[in-house]
Amino acid sequence: NAGVMQNPRHLVRRRGQEARLRCSPMKGHSHVYWYRQLPEEGLKFMVYLQKENIIDESGMPKERFSAEFPKEGPSILRIQQVVRGDSAAYFCASSPGGQGRYEQYFGPGTRLTVT
Amino acid sequence: GQQVMQIPQYQHVQEGEDFTTYCNSSTTLSNIQWYKQRPGGHPVFLIQLVKSGEVKKQKRLTFQFGEAKKNSSLHITATQTTDVGTYFCAGATERNTPLVFGKGTRLSVIA
Repeated sequence: NAGVMQNPRHLVRRRGQEARLRCSPMKGHSHVYWYRQLPEEGLKFMVYLQKENIIDESGMPKERFSAEFPKEGPSILRIQQVVRGDSAAYFCASSPGGQGRYEQYFGPGTRLTVT
Repeated sequence: GQQVMQIPQYQHVQEGEDFTTYCNSSTTLSNIQWYKQRPGGHPVFLIQLVKSGEVKKQKRLTFQFGEAKKNSSLHITATQTTDVGTYFCAGATERNTPLVFGKGTRLSVIA
């Protein structure tokens, strides 16, 4: 049973470019979460999605960031006009049920570097 | 908003010594989860505690959930080099609210 998959594993973008991060949840999971992790920091919740719906985006910056989880295909976290402060590891996780109630399975992460 | 604090931030132990990390929430939790992240890796789920005063064991790891459901601890007996990593607690206040992660305790084990 394949785990959570994320790609790319490493992404380098120049300031002002767009970054697109992809996440395929574990088979049978329809709940997806995105987190950001800065060095020496914990995981900061960004957004929680189910198929075709954003359930909770309370941790998402209001501008430049968006997320989707289409009916077909992976979940995508999009960061427009990246800035140096966006450099971080972005982890996707999936769970068999709703947030706060079930364990989450994390992907290997995408390390974004903005130059 | 809800805050989850962990102490200590770092812990260096000799192999064979015990290790404990503590987690405190500013609000009452519905459940608490623990994760381990190896250097350069991703968080891996260890356990979930739901009941007040609950204690669970996994081999050398013992997890406790406080009576007031606002604090938790993870104790490792006789650490090994394979225990190296950062241990995070994560709590949810209600059933449909995001998990809030602590900043983690980074454990180093000296052989």
